[in-house]
Amino acid sequence: ETGVTQSPTHLIKTRGQQVTLRCSSQSGHNTVSWYQQALGQGPQFIFQYYREEENGRGNFPPRFSGLQFPNYSSELNVNALELDDSALYLCASRRDSYNEQFFGPGTRLTVL
Amino acid sequence: AQRVTQPEKLLSVFKGAPVELKCNYSYSGSPELFWYVQYSRQRLQLLLRHISRESIKGFTADLNKGETSFHLKKPFAQEEDSAMYYCALLPGAGSYQLTFGKGTKLSVIP
Repeated sequence: ETGVTQSPTHLIKTRGQQVTLRCSSQSGHNTVSWYQQALGQGPQFIFQYYREEENGRGNFPPRFSGLQFPNYSSELNVNALELDDSALYLCASRRDSYNEQFFGPGTRLTVL
Repeated sequence: AQRVTQPEKLLSVFKGAPVELKCNYSYSGSPELFWYVQYSRQRLQLLLRHISRESIKGFTADLNKGETSFHLKKPFAQEEDSAMYYCALLPGAGSYQLTFGKGTKLSVIP
């Protein structure tokens, strides 16, 4: 199962702007998680959505928000971009009651 | 809070040599541990998980609760094993927040 897709592949923004990243989960995967992976670091958990509601959040400020839609797609929104937001953003989806997460290829965000 | 430590950023071994990628964790409960792998230009994918106790691509990992370790081992390295390896921890039932280590880059020298 490797059907998680993300768009765009790359994105360049300037400080203070807002960005929306998109993810399409595999059919039947009710849960989507978003991760931030800075250069040289492992992925860091941002938040998780289950059946269109946020049900878990890591140590990220409220300017990181998300949405999950009934068609298995989801969004990560980041407001007031900062230079440190430059990273690879990964989404991962899974089915109910399964712990294996299937990752997308990521979106590389650069904030100038 | 949980933490995963992978002490080696880079590990170079010769083809045919044994490989051990170290992973230590800190968590007070009974976590579930995973190894993820990322080959060049590919997405992150699950390699193995401790509860399944299986060998994938010749790799094994044993959870040592006393030493809070989950080292990844392979007796004979192959060139195709060259990749980035991440150890990850799930706190347990009801939680799906994976905590990753910083990763170890394995380079197998032909």
